Amino acid sequence: EPEVTQTPSHQVTQMGQEVILRCVPISNHLYFYWYRQILGQKVEFLVSFYNNEISEKSEIFDDQFSVERPDGSNFTLKIRSTKLEDSAMYFCASSAQASSYNEQFFGPGTRLTVL
Amino acid sequence: DQQVKQNSPSLSVQEGRISILNCDYTNSMFDYFLWYKKYPAEGPTFLISISSIKDKNEDGRFTVFLNKSAKHLSLHIVPSQPGDSAVYFCAAGSSNTGKLIFGQGTTLQVKP
Repeated sequence: EPEVTQTPSHQVTQMGQEVILRCVPISNHLYFYWYRQILGQKVEFLVSFYNNEISEKSEIFDDQFSVERPDGSNFTLKIRSTKLEDSAMYFCASSAQASSYNEQFFGPGTRLTVL
Repeated sequence: DQQVKQNSPSLSVQEGRISILNCDYTNSMFDYFLWYKKYPAEGPTFLISISSIKDKNEDGRFTVFLNKSAKHLSLHIVPSQPGDSAVYFCAAGSSNTGKLIFGQGTTLQVKP
């Protein structure tokens, strides 16, 4: 069964450093998402991406964040200068269609720890 | 942001009995609702969904009920199995966006 994969599973970084979280969405999906879950809190939407453009982003997704689809398979989330409060589980998701009528398939997540 | 709320952080049921997980929402623009299940160290896994034009959707042991007037939905699992023990998230969305708004989750424990 096709699945979304994410690397690394755990990333530890120093405050102020740049991190890139990587995702390989399901191959025939066209819509991509990043969500995050701070420990003990809700899963929160960060950004959606289609046709090499951001479709929608949340207030959390400020100028420190960027997304990219550098090739035909990878989808990345970059945090330019990490803060302590960026420590969270980051989930990538993909779907065949844009509407939330379509099931979003989630990856296993990357746990980001900012020291 | 309290648009989607799951007021019960945990639920414990006996194997074979019914599990009922509840979810409330406040935004009338939501027209699609989903339930995800999450095991530790894994991402959320889609379970079942319902469109706002329906009031019930069934898939095997899982049934989702939607009460639009009350802005309430529930997930029924019958019969419950120990393998169902996980965190269950309710999520809501609108047809014009892929953005999902999640509830806080309910941890279900099914005891053998």
